[in-house]
Amino acid sequence: GAGVSQTPSNKVTEKGKYVELRCDPISGHTALYWYRQSLGQGPEFLIYFQGTGAADDSGLPNDRFFAVRPEGSVSTLKIQRTERGDSAVYLCASSLLPSSTGANVLTFGAGSRLTVL
Amino acid sequence: AQSVTQPDIHITVSEGASLELRCNYSYGATPYLFWYVQSPGQGLQLLLKYFSGDTLVQGIKGFEAEFKRSQSSFNLRKPSVHWSDAAEYFCAVGGQAGTALIFGKGTTLSVSS
Repeated sequence: GAGVSQTPSNKVTEKGKYVELRCDPISGHTALYWYRQSLGQGPEFLIYFQGTGAADDSGLPNDRFFAVRPEGSVSTLKIQRTERGDSAVYLCASSLLPSSTGANVLTFGAGSRLTVL
Repeated sequence: AQSVTQPDIHITVSEGASLELRCNYSYGATPYLFWYVQSPGQGLQLLLKYFSGDTLVQGIKGFEAEFKRSQSSFNLRKPSVHWSDAAEYFCAVGGQAGTALIFGKGTTLSVSS
């Protein structure tokens, strides 16, 4: 697609429930990133995929968070047993690697706002 | 430790006045530096980036930024602010391909008439 698409744009759930957030990256972009942005904060890195594999998952806060990218395109971020502290905007970004400059330019989606009641 | 500091949480500028948003970084390797802008309810839009070469880089919407290695800074500037520039601005640093960007906490820009 033309841009990074994230669904749903808004999700309200109850504490303890399971949630899935979907990201559809720019066509042909091999790298995909998930970030979390809490109110008044900058985006915090969660996980990075290169192709189908998670190249760096050091930002996942605990084992309730998991992400997959089975075919190297669409990715799903999964949160089990949600807590109120998980409320945030979850941002997805993609980039084309390798790049001609050697640098990593991320294009972000509009985000999925998660509210845990 | 790798980090980005944006010292100003909130700045108010009169329309037509000049703007400078500060960014300092700490990064162990050659840094690639970025400024993103986020309007309410929107995703992050890339304003400009610095990889190498000329330390003054031009971006979209009339913004520019200057990389100063000796000061570990990458400040964003605009000569004349428009009301539509009101948004949140994020500075970010990253390394070579494959590394995640590290973001600052952002500076909220308000524009007064």
